[in-house]
Amino acid sequence: AQSVTQLGSHVSVSEGALVLLRCNYSSSVPPYLFWYVQYPNQGLQLLLKYTSAATLVKGINGFEAEFKKSETSFHLTKPSAHMSDAAEYFCAVSETGNTGKLIFGQGTTLQVKP
Amino acid sequence: NAGVMQNPRHLVRRRGQEARLRCSPMKGHSHVYWYRQLPEEGLKFMVYLQKENIIDESGMPKERFSAEFPKEGPSILRIQQVVRGDSAAYFCASSPQRVGETQYFGPGTRLLVL
Repeated sequence: AQSVTQLGSHVSVSEGALVLLRCNYSSSVPPYLFWYVQYPNQGLQLLLKYTSAATLVKGINGFEAEFKKSETSFHLTKPSAHMSDAAEYFCAVSETGNTGKLIFGQGTTLQVKP
Repeated sequence: NAGVMQNPRHLVRRRGQEARLRCSPMKGHSHVYWYRQLPEEGLKFMVYLQKENIIDESGMPKERFSAEFPKEGPSILRIQQVVRGDSAAYFCASSPQRVGETQYFGPGTRLLVL
């Protein structure tokens, strides 16, 4: 069965510092991987997705993620944090087969300090 | 192109009442997914529907919960005889296809059971 693990439920960085949010997945077949962001009391917004093309995926708002098959990881990074990046971030894998349902990690809350 | 619409945004029910949550997918999308987010947790898949068909309801509680996506009109998630443990945010997502396609999320319905 597929699963997603996000290491660190809370991450705190200073404004301008590197953002690194970790995601590891478990899948027996090549996965589709996603990062979503959720602002308070809102729905989820897609940041980026990996669908077996380039292993380095660029998304919106300066975020990018690298698919590493050998490490079964899909970590999210941004070179310089902005106050507006404070939110909850979810990594998800799309289940293979006929449904395409998303399996989410527990989420990581990013705090950005001035 | 309007995004995924959900209503109501907030719903308060007393124990034993019924809750009806509505989801209108994006134009051109025929695949609808429902997810539940319990407090301090990630999103959990509930059900996947296409027009007039339930494709996967493996995440639905066995009792009191049902979903439909009629030929005309929005998708409905129905919770009968609500209990306090049903208090959560319920998100609907739609996609034009299944596996690997981006799912676009609505703003969610926040259900509070008193």
